[in-house]
Amino acid sequence: EDQVTQSPEALRLQEGESSSLNCSYTVSGLRGLFWYRQDPGKGPEFLFTLYSAGEEKEKERLKATLTKKESFLHITAPKPEDSATYLCAVQENAGNMLTFGGGTRLMVKP
Amino acid sequence: NAGVTQTPKFQVLKTGQSMTLQCAQDMNHNSMYWYRQDPGMGLRLIYYSASEGTTDKGEVPNGYNVSRLNKREFSLRLESAAPSQTSVYFCASREPWGRYGYTFGSGTRLTVV
Repeated sequence: EDQVTQSPEALRLQEGESSSLNCSYTVSGLRGLFWYRQDPGKGPEFLFTLYSAGEEKEKERLKATLTKKESFLHITAPKPEDSATYLCAVQENAGNMLTFGGGTRLMVKP
Repeated sequence: NAGVTQTPKFQVLKTGQSMTLQCAQDMNHNSMYWYRQDPGMGLRLIYYSASEGTTDKGEVPNGYNVSRLNKREFSLRLESAAPSQTSVYFCASREPWGRYGYTFGSGTRLTVV
């Protein structure tokens, strides 16, 4: 059974204070690992897909990395508008659906 | 704008009432999904449809039924609502090769009293 664990559950940062969110996963053959951003009252929005260990993707202040057991979402010099819940999900090779972690709620204070 | 449209956005039901949540996508995606999101529980899959004419149970299917009406539409029905079904429901669809994961709708916030 696929398992995805995200930590921390909540993270408070000052504007400009860089940090990382963790996503640990267990899957029998990884097809893809996905990061989403979710704002209050809205559906999750796609950020990145990572396929193999060592892969990195960047978008503005966000960079996602992948190892064989976990993924990190690095946030460099965050701004208040980066405040959101960040979700991680995995898809195994044999499956059609994604398994989600519980999310990390990020709060960036000015 | 292209995407996934869910209706209604909010709903309050009394215990035992029934209702259908509607979902439609205009991206020509084959696969569609229904998830529920609860505090501390994350997103949990209720049902999914890999293609038109097929449906399968997910992690938490009890108390729900689905219909894949055509390639665009995938509805979720609560036959006899219970307070435990109070949640936010998300519909999602996916392109054939899944490079971008899911595209989600904006959700239906359901309260059962």
